Amino acid sequence: QVQLVQSRAEMMQPGASVKVSCKASGYPFRNYCISWVRQAPGQGLVWMGWISGYNGNTNYAQKFQDRVTLTTDTSTSTVYMELRSLRSDDTAVYYCARDLRSGTYNPFDFWGQGTLVTVSS
Amino acid sequence: EIVMTQSPATLSVSPGARATLSCRASQSVAANLAWYQQKPGQPPRLLIYGASTRATGFPARFSGSGSGTEFTLTISSLQSEDVAVYYCQHYNNWPPGEITFGPGTKVDIK
Repeated sequence: QVQLVQSRAEMMQPGASVKVSCKASGYPFRNYCISWVRQAPGQGLVWMGWISGYNGNTNYAQKFQDRVTLTTDTSTSTVYMELRSLRSDDTAVYYCARDLRSGTYNPFDFWGQGTLVTVSS
Repeated sequence: EIVMTQSPATLSVSPGARATLSCRASQSVAANLAWYQQKPGQPPRLLIYGASTRATGFPARFSGSGSGTEFTLTISSLQSEDVAVYYCQHYNNWPPGEITFGPGTKVDIK
């Protein structure tokens, strides 16, 4: 069965960088894109970007373009999301989510369990 | 960027009654529209895609309709387990760029 298992919660200082992992299993990793979506406490869902499992091509939301990098390790079927220059308003649960179909611009049918990133001095 | 809006922000419905949620896109997204259900402490769950195709595991009381800029999610007979926040999302590839979510509608029992 398809599973996306994310890394543990992180407590970070302002100005630092965080790297969250998402290990995929149960499907051919290279056939699908993975997106990252974040949710601040009590707030809605914000799409951050996607990465292709096939060739590593990325598409970032303009809001995060200067601070986020998505990468893949196809040998372990893992996707990484690095967010730099953290601020207190980056405190959120970060989700990875798999596309419903191969290709790009798809809805998300499987989600990771979420990783809480807390930014505080 | 295509902006998604949802109404109402909160909807209180009696058990067994119909719930109608609206989603509007700032420009046409054709039928590239999904709905997600999110319960507290859980990740979102894909409910509807292609504006009207129900995802695996959801009962027939959930239905989606619309195209272009106006979309509707209907719960025909609200059950207690349907209490959740519902988000719409466009995934249209034109103009190329961002996928965006609406702000959500919170559905609770009256």
